[in-house]
Amino acid sequence: EPEVTQTPSHQVTQMGQEVILRCVPISNHLYFYWYRQILGQKVEFLVSFYNNEISEKSEIFDDQFSVERPDGSNFTLKIRSTKLEDSAMYFCASSGATWTDTQYFGPGTRLTVL
Amino acid sequence: GIQVEQSPPDLILQEGANSTLRCNFSDSVNNLQWFHQNPWGQLINLFYIPSGTKQNGRLSATTVATERYSLLYISSSQTTDSGVYFCAVDSGAGSYQLTFGKGTKLSVIP
Repeated sequence: EPEVTQTPSHQVTQMGQEVILRCVPISNHLYFYWYRQILGQKVEFLVSFYNNEISEKSEIFDDQFSVERPDGSNFTLKIRSTKLEDSAMYFCASSGATWTDTQYFGPGTRLTVL
Repeated sequence: GIQVEQSPPDLILQEGANSTLRCNFSDSVNNLQWFHQNPWGQLINLFYIPSGTKQNGRLSATTVATERYSLLYISSSQTTDSGVYFCAVDSGAGSYQLTFGKGTKLSVIP
């Protein structure tokens, strides 16, 4: 069964550093998402992406965040200058032909900011 | 925005017991999904169920869209069922981001 993959599984960085989290969505999917989950809390939406542009973003997704689909397979989340409070599990998701289709989640990248 | 409430927040079961988890939501939805978050943090899709009933092995789910709730049934629970179960819905009205509930933490003891 096709699945969403994410790399790295765990990233440790120093405060103020830039990080790029990578995702490979399911190959024929059209809609892409990033969510995050701070330890012990619920999963929160960050951004959705379709047709090479952002469709929706939450208040969390400020100017420090950006997303890109640099080629036909990868979908990346960049955090320009990490803060301690960015420490969380980041999930990539993708869905197929319509916005209301099932969203399939990747295994997550655990980001630790020191 | 849409509100999602899950109950109970915590549940401890003896292996072999059955359980029902509930998800209430505050507005009509196009998408409702149930997830299991395993001890490694992975979110496993269980059901896509904006309405109706589905079954997959020992798990089944029912969503009554008109009354804005969904139920997840786990029968003959096993220790591997332990983890957190999340319900997530889209916000409707042209917004398709998933809003998650706070989850039900299930512990199945041998």
